[in-house]
Amino acid sequence: KAGVTQTPRYLIKTRGQQVTLSCSPISGHRSVSWYQQTPGQGLQFLFEYFSETQRNKGNFPGRFSGRQFSNSRSEMNVSTLELGDSALYLCASSTGTVGTGEQFFGPGTRLTVL
Amino acid sequence: AQRVTQPEKLLSVFKGAPVELKCNYSYSGSPELFWYVQYSRQRLQLLLRHISRESIKGFTADLNKGETSFHLKKPFAQEEDSAMYYCALRAGSARQLTFGSGTQLTVLP
Repeated sequence: KAGVTQTPRYLIKTRGQQVTLSCSPISGHRSVSWYQQTPGQGLQFLFEYFSETQRNKGNFPGRFSGRQFSNSRSEMNVSTLELGDSALYLCASSTGTVGTGEQFFGPGTRLTVL
Repeated sequence: AQRVTQPEKLLSVFKGAPVELKCNYSYSGSPELFWYVQYSRQRLQLLLRHISRESIKGFTADLNKGETSFHLKKPFAQEEDSAMYYCALRAGSARQLTFGSGTQLTVLP
């Protein structure tokens, strides 16, 4: 089985712009979670989607949003980018329902905000 | 609120020496604890979970509820064990993973 894929792998944006990141889960996985990884804050949970519905949300401002499609692919969007949004954004998929099952991680999208 | 603490950012040991990566958590109920590993230029991947009580690549971890710890141990470290290790907790109604800040393990030849 192909692993979790994320596109694009690298992205450079300027402050105030918006960005959309994409995640394709492993075939058959219906749950997708997103994490932000920074040197200062480590790995922080953003949100989790299952069956096209957001089931959990981390402590991030409303500028961070996401969605899941019927084929389980997921996108996350960050609007009005700030310098502090520079990070590695990881997506993970799992077979189980919300909060169950092993999570398989993608390679991440490296976002740089200038 | 749940929290995971990994007190050591960096840890170096010599090949063949025992290694212990510390993890402490704060949660009042019964959490699920995990260890994830990220080798250089590879994806984050699950190493082991406390529920399965298994040994993976010679690593073991025991959940100590009294000390709220889940330390990762290996009796004889190998150079290929050099990686970033994250302890993670899953608990509560939200069931999201909460990660520690990670420990970079370097096994010296």
